[in-house]
Amino acid sequence: AQTVTQSQPEMSVQEAETVTLSCTYDTSESDYYLFWYKQPPSRQMILVIRQEAYKQQNATENRFSVNFQKAAKSFSLKISDSQLGDAAMYFCAYRSARNNNDMRFGAGTRLTVKP
Amino acid sequence: ETGVTQTPRHLVMGMTNKKSLKCEQHLGHNAMYWYKQSAKKPLELMFVYNFKEQTENNSVPSRFSPECPNSSHLFLHLHTLQPEDSALYLCASSQVFGSYEQYFGPGTRLTVT
Repeated sequence: AQTVTQSQPEMSVQEAETVTLSCTYDTSESDYYLFWYKQPPSRQMILVIRQEAYKQQNATENRFSVNFQKAAKSFSLKISDSQLGDAAMYFCAYRSARNNNDMRFGAGTRLTVKP
Repeated sequence: ETGVTQTPRHLVMGMTNKKSLKCEQHLGHNAMYWYKQSAKKPLELMFVYNFKEQTENNSVPSRFSPECPNSSHLFLHLHTLQPEDSALYLCASSQVFGSYEQYFGPGTRLTVT
């Protein structure tokens, strides 16, 4: 069974600094998609960034980038120049390319940004 | 944040009650989803509807009964729930089933007493 593990229940970063959130996953498939979702306090969950497993190049969205290591089944999120608005729960998610119903999330990492 | 709306936002119900959660999306999407978010547990996909047809039921107990009358509306009917069913229930939609991005609603915080 595919599982997604976020080993850091909580992380903290100083404003303007860089922080990396970890995610590992388990799968026997070669084609899949990985996502990072952000859930601010009392607000809706939104997609931050996605990575297709067949792409070797790491995805980047402004201050957010990933380090995708397919062999290691690792998918970390780096947030550069952290802002107060980045404070949220961050969820790593996996979706099979073969079975759209197979969508799995990690337990989340709560990120605190200190001014 | 008004693309996917959910009502009510908070619900307290007894174990013998029957209630329904409502989700509505204003994005013209064709796929809708119900998720359960429990404290300190991964988000769990419960039901998937694609063009009003249910495509997935992830072994969800029958006390949860989904309904999708059209592509814009999704309901979750609840009856004889257990205290362990207390959680945040999230609705999401996507352009089509399998789209990269799902758009989430704010959730309904359910407490079963």
